[in-house]
Amino acid sequence: GAGVSQSPSNKVTEKGKDVELRCDPISGHTALYWYRQSLGQGLEFLIYFQGNSAPDKSGLPSDRFSAERTGGSVSTLTIQRTQQEDSAVYLCASSAPKGTYEQYFGPGTRLTVT
Amino acid sequence: QKEVEQDPGPLSVPEGAIVSLNCTYSNSAFQYFMWYRQYSRKGPELLMYTYSSGNKEDGRFTAQVDKSSKYISLFIRDSQPSDSATYLCAMKASSNTGKLIFGQGTTLQVKP
Repeated sequence: GAGVSQSPSNKVTEKGKDVELRCDPISGHTALYWYRQSLGQGLEFLIYFQGNSAPDKSGLPSDRFSAERTGGSVSTLTIQRTQQEDSAVYLCASSAPKGTYEQYFGPGTRLTVT
Repeated sequence: QKEVEQDPGPLSVPEGAIVSLNCTYSNSAFQYFMWYRQYSRKGPELLMYTYSSGNKEDGRFTAQVDKSSKYISLFIRDSQPSDSATYLCAMKASSNTGKLIFGQGTTLQVKP
C-alpha cells in the first residue's frame, strides 16, 4: 500500500516568510511524528500526535513552529517568520497504535531559507 | 552532551567485511533500542528493534544491547555494496511515548 507522503519535496523561501509543510500518514496509523534533520545532525524530534491531539510537543524549537492534525490523518507543520537556521529536511513518520518504535518515514521536505 | 552519541564516520569497508556500528547513551531509562537505515535522499527505515538487554539476529544483521555499559551495537556480516547507507541508532524510555532519540548516524560505504 501507499507509504507516508510529504509535500512539497523541496521548498525554497525567503527569510521572514511563513511556510507550511504537509504530511499524509499511512492509512490507519493513529500516531504521527515530525522530526528535523540538519546537516551533520541526527534526527531531532519536534512533535508527536496521537489522533488529533499532541501529547508531546517538547521538541518544537520556538513559538514560530506549530503543527496541527485534522481528522486523525493529514498533518501540517507551519513555520512562521522563517530564519536561515530553519533550513533542514523535515521528516514526517507514522506508526500503528501499538508500534510506536516502528515508525514509517516519508521522504521528507527539504527546506532552504535564503 | 547529547543523550545518544554515535560516531558519524564515514566508515569504508570492502565487500564481504564484518561491520560494527555503535552507540553510547547516557539516559538509563532507555529500554527500547532501534537501528534505522537511511539511503541518500530517502526517509529512514527500521532495520532492527530490541527491547532491554540482549542480542537479536535477523539474517546478516545482529543487534546487541548492553544496558550496564549503556552501549548498543549493530553488526553486519558479509557486507554488500547495497548496505551502503547511513545507519541511525534510536532509543526511547517507555512504550507510551512516541518520541525517539536518535544518534547522529554513521555513514557506511561498502566497496565492491
